[in-house]
Amino acid sequence: AQSVTQLDSQVPVFEEAPVELRCNYSSSVSVYLFWYVQYPNQGLQLLLKYLSGSTLVKGINGFEAEFNKSQTSFHLRKPSVHISDTAEYFCAVSWRQGAQKLVFGQGTRLTINP
Amino acid sequence: GAGVSQSPSNKVTEKGKDVELRCDPISGHTALYWYRQSLGQGLEFLIYFQGNSAPDKSGLPSDRFSAERTGGSVSTLTIQRTQQEDSAVYLCASIRSREINEQFFGPGTRLTVL
Repeated sequence: AQSVTQLDSQVPVFEEAPVELRCNYSSSVSVYLFWYVQYPNQGLQLLLKYLSGSTLVKGINGFEAEFNKSQTSFHLRKPSVHISDTAEYFCAVSWRQGAQKLVFGQGTRLTINP
Repeated sequence: GAGVSQSPSNKVTEKGKDVELRCDPISGHTALYWYRQSLGQGLEFLIYFQGNSAPDKSGLPSDRFSAERTGGSVSTLTIQRTQQEDSAVYLCASIRSREINEQFFGPGTRLTVL
């Protein structure tokens, strides 16, 4: 079975500061990895995904993530955040075979303070 | 082009009533997923449809939940004899191809069972 752990439920950051949202996963087989963002009262939007190849993945809105197979991690980073980045962020994995359903972490609420 | 749409956006019902939630996936997308987002359980997979194959129902929490996908497009999630623990946001997602596995989410239906 797969599981995803987001180590921080809430992360407060000042505007223009860097941020890292941590994600670790557990799986006995190879997986795809994703980060989704959910703005208040909206659905989920894909930020970035790792399917194969380069372990450093760049996404939308200046976010990037690095896949570390030995540490089973997929941490999300942004060098300088904006007020508009305030949202809930979800890390997710899926098996490469079968239904490819997403297994989500519990989410990290990112709050940007001026 | 249009994204995934869901209706209704909000549904309030009384305990014991049946409800139907609708999902219109992106045109041409081959697979469709239903997920549930609740405070206690986070984001959970419910069911998956791929073409004419038998659906993967492994995430449905009880036999009160069922879903169908007509003509390979629109899907309806039905909850019979609703209970208060069914209160959640029900999200639908679709993908264009398994190779890319990028799930596009709708805005969700917020279900409140009184």
